[in-house]
Amino acid sequence: QQPVQSPQAVILREGEDAVINCSSSKALYSVHWYRQKHGEAPVFLMILLKGGEQKGHEKISASFNEKKQQSSLYLTASQLSYSGTYFCGTSHQGAQKLVFGQGTRLTINP
Amino acid sequence: EAGVAQSPRYKIIEKRQSVAFWCNPISGHATLYWYQQILGQGPKLLIQFQNNGVVDDSQLPKDRFSAERLKGVDSTLKIQPAKLEDSAVYLCASRTYRLNTEAFFGQGTRLTVV
Repeated sequence: QQPVQSPQAVILREGEDAVINCSSSKALYSVHWYRQKHGEAPVFLMILLKGGEQKGHEKISASFNEKKQQSSLYLTASQLSYSGTYFCGTSHQGAQKLVFGQGTRLTINP
Repeated sequence: EAGVAQSPRYKIIEKRQSVAFWCNPISGHATLYWYQQILGQGPKLLIQFQNNGVVDDSQLPKDRFSAERLKGVDSTLKIQPAKLEDSAVYLCASRTYRLNTEAFFGQGTRLTVV
């Protein structure tokens, strides 16, 4: 089952914050977050495993809510370099199958 | 460490022709994925290999797509015959067998079917 991301697109000014959500209808084992710039391959940001873990990467962090089968990606004080499309990929218990959502396009303006 | 290598980078073919893509994963990575990414959409999983065995190919259009991973290393994805709707970027990714590790993506092959 493909995870559902929201919102589909976000436009921010540099320095503003954003939250991107990723939901699954099936019990999650792990959530992977990637960023893809136009014409390039997806670049790994972080993995979260079931257990309500929260992780951080510079000013980008994420949480995993096992009860809601949802993960959220937080971008704080956004920079121009954060522009791109963000994808969450989900895996379920005992499987390495990695299924991606439809993406959230983030545009950061000066 | 060398990354995931894919070739060709670009391919233009006419509908009903055949095409093949090649992927060389990171050395030692047991898991290999092929994804299809249509413009403006997320990567769609076509097939997943564990070593040289197929783990999941539920989304692979088997009447026209085929894939193999001989000796558990390199992999090829073939389309025969191609349709206009096959125009997309085909991404290969690899990963170790451990469940908590990231997948590394290649640069992809952009296919245009005219």
